[in-house]
Amino acid sequence: KQEVTQIPAALSVPEGENLVLNCSFTDSAIYNLQWFRQDPGKGLTSLLLIQSSQREQTSGRLNASLDKSSGRSTLYIAASQPGDSATYLCAVTGNYGQNFVFGPGTRLSVLP
Amino acid sequence: EAGVAQSPRYKIIEKRQSVAFWCNPISGHATLYWYQQILGQGPKLLIQFQNNGVVDDSQLPKDRFSAERLKGVDSTLKIQPAKLEDSAVYLCASSSKGLAGSSYEQYFGPGTRLTVT
Repeated sequence: KQEVTQIPAALSVPEGENLVLNCSFTDSAIYNLQWFRQDPGKGLTSLLLIQSSQREQTSGRLNASLDKSSGRSTLYIAASQPGDSATYLCAVTGNYGQNFVFGPGTRLSVLP
Repeated sequence: EAGVAQSPRYKIIEKRQSVAFWCNPISGHATLYWYQQILGQGPKLLIQFQNNGVVDDSQLPKDRFSAERLKGVDSTLKIQPAKLEDSAVYLCASSSKGLAGSSYEQYFGPGTRLTVT
């Protein structure tokens, strides 16, 4: 059974810092990995999707990497801003687009 | 492109009552998902539809939860009877296949916050 963990559970940084969020999964037979952002009381917003054959994806100040063999992904946020404050969740999709499993999330606070 | 629509946004019911949630996915998205998100946790997949067929409902408590997607477009999730532990946010998502194959990138609705008293 696939299990997804995220470290740290919470993170507080001053504005302008670069930071890394970690995601680990137990079963490397994944189809893709997706990073989401969730603001309080809101739904999830997709940030980046990495297919199993890819090693990284970039969007603006965000860069996500995937090491399928070791069961790890990292989300790098450059030059953090207070508007980046939210919970960040990673999720993996099993083969054939099934068995979608989320991690518990990392709650990020960027202080002005 | 309109996003995933859900209603209602909030619902308060007493235990043992029934409740239903509605979801309309992004136009053209064949795959629809229902998730339960308990406060402080990541979403848990309840059921996944491909068109009007069920792909995965292994984590759906079938004694009290049911879901349907009769015409392969919008979907309804029902809880009957509700328990206190069903208090959560119920999220709907949809996805489609990418041009070079299936990406299954999911797009989420705003969710329905259910409180069972």
